[in-house]
Amino acid sequence: QKEVEQDPGPLSVPEGAIVSLNCTYSNSAFQYFMWYRQYSRKGPELLMYTYSSGNKEDGRFTAQVDKSSKYISLFIRDSQPSDSATYLCAPNVETSGSRLTFGEGTQLTVNP
Amino acid sequence: GAGVSQSPSNKVTEKGKDVELRCDPISGHTALYWYRQSLGQGLEFLIYFQGNSAPDKSGLPSDRFSAERTGGSVSTLTIQRTQQEDSAVYLCASSHWSGPSFFGPGTRLTVL
Repeated sequence: QKEVEQDPGPLSVPEGAIVSLNCTYSNSAFQYFMWYRQYSRKGPELLMYTYSSGNKEDGRFTAQVDKSSKYISLFIRDSQPSDSATYLCAPNVETSGSRLTFGEGTQLTVNP
Repeated sequence: GAGVSQSPSNKVTEKGKDVELRCDPISGHTALYWYRQSLGQGLEFLIYFQGNSAPDKSGLPSDRFSAERTGGSVSTLTIQRTQQEDSAVYLCASSHWSGPSFFGPGTRLTVL
């Protein structure tokens, strides 16, 4: 079993839709949860970074962590064509100090 | 600049040649990572540095791959006797000891 499971998509939505991107993980020691956005032919860009359970909001983006069910989500409100990218979840025990775990990434397309 | 930089951005080489890829991390970041990403695939961990030491080099795919880091800053990934299967985007990331990782733009390697 992989430590992190993420549906690779592709996911296609109309502009303005609410997007839900999800990951499940198996390691109960994970306590740092990051989301990266990767545009085509670019390096991953840190989008959200949370510690432990709960919600964190940043503009149109909300990261949600449920440690009891080992389930993490990224919600995008009022999605825009510029949100079209691959989104990678990265739950980890630490943010540094060892190799990091990443999901395979979900490819999102927002259609105008 | 304030971000992670990598050079060259693109490298085309012939099978059997050696290549060197360079990463300049964010100033003050003690941790440095190398990943590889093949077309349409997730991130493949290669090696992790803490300062100039590499406590985890378990991801290097063969003894043709080596990496070093000097002065706790710049890192070089060397691939000897390149093969076509080495073609990929090579990504470098760095982090502070207590923070998330930030990625560079990557080096796109094509082995003919």
